[in-house]
Amino acid sequence: DQQVKQNSPSLSVQEGRISILNCDYTNSMFDYFLWYKKYPAEGPTFLISISSIKDKNEDGRFTVFLNKSAKHLSLHIVPSQPGDSAVYFCAASASPQGGSEKLVFGKGTKLTVNP
Amino acid sequence: NAGVTQTPKFQVLKTGQSMTLQCAQDMNHNSMYWYRQDPGMGLRLIYYSASEGTTDKGEVPNGYNVSRLNKREFSLRLESAAPSQTSVYFCASTEDGQGWGPQHFGDGTRLSIL
Repeated sequence: DQQVKQNSPSLSVQEGRISILNCDYTNSMFDYFLWYKKYPAEGPTFLISISSIKDKNEDGRFTVFLNKSAKHLSLHIVPSQPGDSAVYFCAASASPQGGSEKLVFGKGTKLTVNP
Repeated sequence: NAGVTQTPKFQVLKTGQSMTLQCAQDMNHNSMYWYRQDPGMGLRLIYYSASEGTTDKGEVPNGYNVSRLNKREFSLRLESAAPSQTSVYFCASTEDGQGWGPQHFGDGTRLSIL
């Protein structure tokens, strides 16, 4: 059973517009959520995270929103740039102590930003 | 800074051969992890080491063994490779698995088993 779901395998947006990537989870014990970006032939790189005590976290052009009641989080990229074209993974962890141990990943969404 | 270094970057094996994938981090991190990524799939945890001297199974440990050689190094061994183990393998580390720090990944080892 997939605990972290990214239902859109791909997303295409125009440069300068907003990109919204979605993620749903089923395990109510998850308390820490992360987004990673991955370019081809490279490892994932950490983008932004949010703990379950917050509903929003912002870092520059990137904002993550968490809706615990809906078990849903989203990543907003504004404005989108061609260099943002990559695969984005949503990840979650459940740990009594908090933290990033034993992350569970979604399957990823491939974002293409067109010039 | 090198961060997390994986060797080799590519490898082709025949079924039944053995192989050790190496991983080293220079960030003085306590926790290290091995994942595999298959086409259309997210990363799945194979094994992890919360601290030097400890290792634990993840989601897909069958067919693999690990060794936490010291604080810097965490190796993954395939004793008898099978075609189902064809995948991209990623090593990651984090300062403290009980903190809020994200995991840092290496660039992967692409393994093909014929």
